[in-house]
Amino acid sequence: DAGVIQSPRHEVTEMGQEVTLRCKPISGHDYLFWYRQTMMRGLELLIYFNNNVPIDDSGMPEDRFSAKMPNASFSTLKIQPSEPRDSAVYFCASSLGRSDSPLHFGNGTRLTVT
Amino acid sequence: QKEVEQDPGPLSVPEGAIVSLNCSYSNSAFQYFMWYRQYSRKGPELLMYTYSSGNKEDGRFTAQVDKSSKYISLFIRDSQPSDSATYLCAMSRFSGGYNKLIFGAGTRLAVHP
Repeated sequence: DAGVIQSPRHEVTEMGQEVTLRCKPISGHDYLFWYRQTMMRGLELLIYFNNNVPIDDSGMPEDRFSAKMPNASFSTLKIQPSEPRDSAVYFCASSLGRSDSPLHFGNGTRLTVT
Repeated sequence: QKEVEQDPGPLSVPEGAIVSLNCSYSNSAFQYFMWYRQYSRKGPELLMYTYSSGNKEDGRFTAQVDKSSKYISLFIRDSQPSDSATYLCAMSRFSGGYNKLIFGAGTRLAVHP
């Protein structure tokens, strides 16, 4: 299994631009998560989906952030417009969704907004 | 107060040392306790998982949970340079279905030859 696949690995953009991050979860996993990691705040859960349906988006910082999961094998996290304080590493993870089921993380997208 | 507290380090030890990594937590409802390892520029990967109290051993790694003190530990014996990484504790409640994992800040460990 290829694991969770994220693209792009790095993204550099100017303030005000739209940014779209992509994720392909592990086949068969019914939960998908988007996390953000910064030195100051650590690993923060932004939103998670169960069977392609958003369940909890309370971690999404602002309306500038949106996430979709049109099918079981693809999800996007969009930031529009982007701001310098959005600079972070964004991780996608998937799991089987039981409390004892581990999260499988992708290698992240490092976003820099100038 | 954060639900999960973890000293960010960094922690620097010589090869062969015993390493002790720790987290404290405030929510007595936590039942599942995990340790994730994160190498530089990679995503976290599950290293150890324990349910409720007690010890669990896997090779050079031992995870310990003390629910009475609300404290969990990860011990690494005979540490190797390849153990150099950030170690994140994580925990969740049990109430059926999926329960959100709460992560610690992560402790950066460097094992030098």
